[in-house]
Amino acid sequence: DAGITQSPRYKITETGRQVTLMCHQTWSHSYMFWYRQDLGHGLRLIYYSAAADITDKGEVPDGYVVSRSKTENFPLTLESATRSQTSVYFCASSEYRTTGELFFGEGSRLTVL
Amino acid sequence: DAKTTQPPSMDCAEGRAANLPCNHSTISGNEYVYWYRQIHSQGPQYIIHGLKNNETNEMASLIITEDRKSSTLILPHATLRDTAVYYCIVRLLYNTNAGKSTFGDGTTLTVKP
Repeated sequence: DAGITQSPRYKITETGRQVTLMCHQTWSHSYMFWYRQDLGHGLRLIYYSAAADITDKGEVPDGYVVSRSKTENFPLTLESATRSQTSVYFCASSEYRTTGELFFGEGSRLTVL
Repeated sequence: DAKTTQPPSMDCAEGRAANLPCNHSTISGNEYVYWYRQIHSQGPQYIIHGLKNNETNEMASLIITEDRKSSTLILPHATLRDTAVYYCIVRLLYNTNAGKSTFGDGTTLTVKP
């Protein structure tokens, strides 16, 4: 199906485990973003990517790793999960050459015990 | 990227116009103003965007001041389904350096019967 999809939608893990959240978009948008949203707060940018093999830090990058080997995929890895990384993670994509609006996925709810 | 400031919360009576303000005093000449809303825990959804002229679509109107340092999103006839968190952001368009898009905490709009 066309659009932007995230997986898994729900994940429970333990402190110290590695977790990878997947994001896939079918529009070939240039830009992709990862945000986290803690309960009762707004979105904070973790990392973003302007194109394949180009990534940059956002507001809260510590503890996260990203890669973008293909335009359509932008996985987010927590190398050693901590309780403070319990959050809802949103992936988004946009195309700067058209309307520039961000299209968001449905979110991945991560709980670190 | 320019930062935005929004009031944390607002109320509106059902059927009345909801006017949501946003300050973006450090906006640069080629940055656009975008508005999104987030209902419950869903991914934010695009509402409208503009550069310097007022814009209107089927969802809302966007009024940008002449000096572009602030804007107002207008929901002409608010309904209970418009209860959500509204985010104002600024970012470049038609530019390969569109860069990061930071959201902040937004305004929680509560539409009351």
